[in-house]
Amino acid sequence: AQKVTQAQTEISVVEKEDVTLDCVYETRDTTYYLFWYKQPPSGELVFLIRRNSFDEQNEISGRYSWNFQKSTSSFNFTITASQVVDSAVYFCALSEPDNAGNMLTFGGGTRLMVKP
Amino acid sequence: DVKVTQSSRYLVKRTGEKVFLECVQDMDHENMFWYRQDPGLGLRLIYFSYDVKMKEKGDIPEGYSVSREKKERFSLILESASTNQTSMYLCASSTLDLHNEQFFGPGTRLTVL
Repeated sequence: AQKVTQAQTEISVVEKEDVTLDCVYETRDTTYYLFWYKQPPSGELVFLIRRNSFDEQNEISGRYSWNFQKSTSSFNFTITASQVVDSAVYFCALSEPDNAGNMLTFGGGTRLMVKP
Repeated sequence: DVKVTQSSRYLVKRTGEKVFLECVQDMDHENMFWYRQDPGLGLRLIYFSYDVKMKEKGDIPEGYSVSREKKERFSLILESASTNQTSMYLCASSTLDLHNEQFFGPGTRLTVL
């Protein structure tokens, strides 16, 4: 079974719409970390956020916000007032304590297209 | 500005060829990783290295090998390229600190004909 599931393979919105990207994970560990990365058309993944399993506070950074809910094993990402520059593939990833060398398990990614 | 660079953005090779993909990082990171990215499958780890001359298999090491002779350089080798190795290959690096973020290169899109 996939450890990190991003059920939305592709989302299309019009500029200024809000959009939420879903991420559901699976782990037996009580200590773990969750990440979001952005992959713009240039190809290079860009780190957005890291959240540890003991911190369930929602995080906001400008137009970006993250909702971490352990009860549903979800770590969803919301972009408010989307812009064309937000068009990218977004990946959610999980790091567990028994992962040697900081290995990450990635979800399948969600392609977000923001149209003008 | 921290950087992970990869030797080629696009590469076309023939079945059976030996292929080298090179990755260099300038952040003095201990860990380096090679992933392949395929639509719908996300990134899957091929190999990683936590020190010079050290390597560990990831989830999909078959058909690949790696080399790390210097701390800043991590090479991925396809001993005999096959069409099912057509993919995007991404290199990343990180410090040894647990759960730190990884820094990624721009990727190499490899096509095997």
